[in-house]
Amino acid sequence: NAGVTQTPKFHILKTGQSMTLQCAQDMNHGYMSWYRQDPGMGLRLIYYSAAAGTTDKEVPNGYNVSRLNTEDFPLRLVSAAPSQTSVYLCASSYGEGTEAFFGQGTRLTVV
Amino acid sequence: GIQVEQSPPDLILQEGANSTLRCNFSDSVNNLQWFHQNPWGQLINLFYIPSGTKQNGRLSATTVATERYSLLYISSSQTTDSGVYFCAVVSNAGKSTFGDGTTLTVKP
Repeated sequence: NAGVTQTPKFHILKTGQSMTLQCAQDMNHGYMSWYRQDPGMGLRLIYYSAAAGTTDKEVPNGYNVSRLNTEDFPLRLVSAAPSQTSVYLCASSYGEGTEAFFGQGTRLTVV
Repeated sequence: GIQVEQSPPDLILQEGANSTLRCNFSDSVNNLQWFHQNPWGQLINLFYIPSGTKQNGRLSATTVATERYSLLYISSSQTTDSGVYFCAVVSNAGKSTFGDGTTLTVKP
């Protein structure tokens, strides 16, 4: 049982490039979400999806997501900016407000 | 939105000592979790505790929802307990908010 799997673990991106961070879960969870974590701070919610086919965002533009099926919730950086340098963490839970489980994170640097 | 405050921000202990970490939140919540973030960045689930008391080995947690706080107790601390401890809540509106964490260092 892999739980929540994120790829890649590390990546360096140039300003203006695009990239997709992958997140997959094998627990048949309906609710999935993306957070970013900046140094010395807690996690900040970026996007969430309550079920396949639905998404909603918490922060302004620069990110995009899709939820085509239950298992996968990729996060796309449309045109990367240095301000998007961060650790990105994906989580899943059975439903909204139930116990959440996290992946190992993707450490992204935009230069 | 809901505010989550954790204290203390930093804590240094000698191995074997006990500690209490606190999480205050500004409004009623549907969910409260405690996590330990290890040095490799992985968030480990400690407790899912919207109310009441739970224990797991040397760790225990208590949430008093009516008074809007939760406590995490670590007894007989070990060097492997080092890392950052996060409290996270989900408001009645469904929004998830993390505190800024408590950084625990346990010295041998």
